[in-house]
Parts: sequence; structure tokens; C-alpha cells
Amino acid sequence: GAVVSQHPSWVICKSGTSVKIECRSLDFQATTMFWYRQFPKQSLMLMATSNEGSKATYEQGVEKDKFLINHASLTLSTLTVTSAHPEDSSFYICSARDLWSGRGVDYEQYFGPGTRLTVT
Amino acid sequence: AQKVTQAQTEISVVEKEDVTLDCVYETRDTTYYLFWYKQPPSGELVFLIRRNSFDEQNEISGRYSWNFQKSTSSFNFTITASQVVDSAVYFCAQVGFQGAQKLVFGQGTRLTINP
Repeated sequence: GAVVSQHPSWVICKSGTSVKIECRSLDFQATTMFWYRQFPKQSLMLMATSNEGSKATYEQGVEKDKFLINHASLTLSTLTVTSAHPEDSSFYICSARDLWSGRGVDYEQYFGPGTRLTVT
Repeated sequence: AQKVTQAQTEISVVEKEDVTLDCVYETRDTTYYLFWYKQPPSGELVFLIRRNSFDEQNEISGRYSWNFQKSTSSFNFTITASQVVDSAVYFCAQVGFQGAQKLVFGQGTRLTINP
């Protein structure tokens, strides 16, 4: 149980285009989802927190108009990188937490496998 | 403010050696959780352990063991008789029960086990 998937696992796009990354909780309802970004040889940095049905909360320094997050259902959150540029190339990881079934009581987040974005 | 420090950026040992990865954390929360994750070259985070701040008992799982010292705010991870498959980046992380409840990661330690 507690499986989180991400799609696509990797994507290459041209500068100026938009890319959408999906994060799905496969066997539980994710009341909260998190989006992280990881540059090569660096740690994971939290970009934003999204709760189902409400607007995402972005970390300081993260452009909310560039990184659009939608958490429209209890099993799906999407991250859209708008007008992507080479500096947006990174590994994007989502995680999910369910506060209502006991899975989230222990504050454990279930991580997706990540999406590697390359902007040329 | 929360902060997790993994002072060892890279460690390289020969197979079968024991190796300890250090983790020191800072938090104002009185109750919190600590985690260790493994990130192999594929990139997917692998959960290793979660420790509640109330529970200072050390834990052993096979070749892995963890030493939680609340007095020194440390949560160190030891691999005994290391194997090549242990090569990965290891992250220590912390989340507090109060406030924003964000998971904060350390910088990571890249462990290389040489045959």
C-alpha cells in the first residue's frame, strides 16, 4: 500500500513550452501533496504544499505563476512548468500524505519516483 | 527554525567495512519525527526509518542501525559490513508536529562502496 506514481518519468521539452507532471496516489486518498525540486548533487527542496480543493502554498522564492499546481482530487495533483527554460531542468519529486486514515498521523510522506525534466 | 545538517558530503569505503553517516538537527518543536531515506542512482527515494522524538531507543534492522541522541540532537546511521549495493545518496530529514509540518532534508551524504 501507499504507492505514489508520477508521470512522465522523464521529459525533454524546448525552451518556452509548458510541461505538466502528474502525481497520483494509487491506493489511498492524499489530502496533502508536496512538490520538491532536486538539482544535480543537491538535496530536495520543497517547492509547494497543496491541499485538495484549495490553493497551493508556495515556498519563498518559488514563482507561483511559473509553477502551477492543481490538486483537484484526492488522488491527483499536477505541476505545470509554464514557459520552461533550461534553468528549470531538474528532478521533480512529489509526495503525498493522508491525514484521515492514519497514514499521515505519523507524518510520513509517500514519495513518487520522480520526473526528470530537461529543457533544451 | 528547522535545520538538518549532514556534514559528510561524500564517503568512500571498501566493501565489508562499517560506515556511519552523521545527522544533526535543529528544531524548536518539542515533538518531531526524524527520517532516513536512501536515494539510489534511479532517483527514487527509499524510506529507511522513522523515529519519534519520544522514542530514544536505538534500532537495528539487519545490517542497518540507528543511534538517536536527543541530548546532542543527532540521529546517526550505521551500515555494518557494507556492500556495493549500499552505494547511494542518503538523506536525513526532520518534521515537526507544530507549525507548518514541513519535511526538511539534510544536504545528503553520497556513499560509495568499492569492491
